[in-house]
Amino acid sequence: SQQGEEDPQALSIQEGENATMNCSYKTSINNLQWYRQNSGRGLVHLILIRSNEREKHSGRLRVTLDTSKKSSSLLITASRAADTASYFCAPYSGGGADGLTFGKGTHLIIQP
Amino acid sequence: DTEVTQTPKHLVMGMTNKKSLKCEQHMGHRAMYWYKQKAKKPPELMFVYSYEKLSINESVPSRFSPECPNSSLLNLHLHALQPEDSALYLCASSQALGGRTYEQYFGPGTRLTVT
Repeated sequence: SQQGEEDPQALSIQEGENATMNCSYKTSINNLQWYRQNSGRGLVHLILIRSNEREKHSGRLRVTLDTSKKSSSLLITASRAADTASYFCAPYSGGGADGLTFGKGTHLIIQP
Repeated sequence: DTEVTQTPKHLVMGMTNKKSLKCEQHMGHRAMYWYKQKAKKPPELMFVYSYEKLSINESVPSRFSPECPNSSLLNLHLHALQPEDSALYLCASSQALGGRTYEQYFGPGTRLTVT
């Protein structure tokens, strides 16, 4: 797998606002995954989007993938305090169980 | 049950000690992973087991010794660690079918301090 680069590295917004973070990668992928990590605990899988998909939704999350630009975005709508976390993308080029390579992540803070 | 459990939650050990970290899942996943995460850094892959066989070792020092005794259990044996090995150790599991990639389920981690 390859390492993605999340942008911005930090984001602070008011509760109720939308949060958008981006992920760029270098070579073609089979899929791209987004994970969330609260306060240095275990990661939680959010969405896996495959290379032939352009958009995926899960509750308040929307992920887009633009393979021509080698980029993905994660949109969190109507943010809540519980969304405060680090968000990591993991672009994946291989096949099967190879493990993931994470970028530095976007640290999101939701202000009450 | 979509839970990956890890024990212990916290571990403090001296540089001459031998200890083990344990990870368990009952989701029928046949791929299991160890990651290491230093403070304010992303998780870094250490080992991958696929169908109870070690398939990837990311050049991890031999003082870390993984073991997969059965399809539900993953251990990480620690010996003669250094203070710089202090970190959060995360276990994860996923399906391993037909060469496709699936989402990984992570445990809460073991926070290790080496004194």
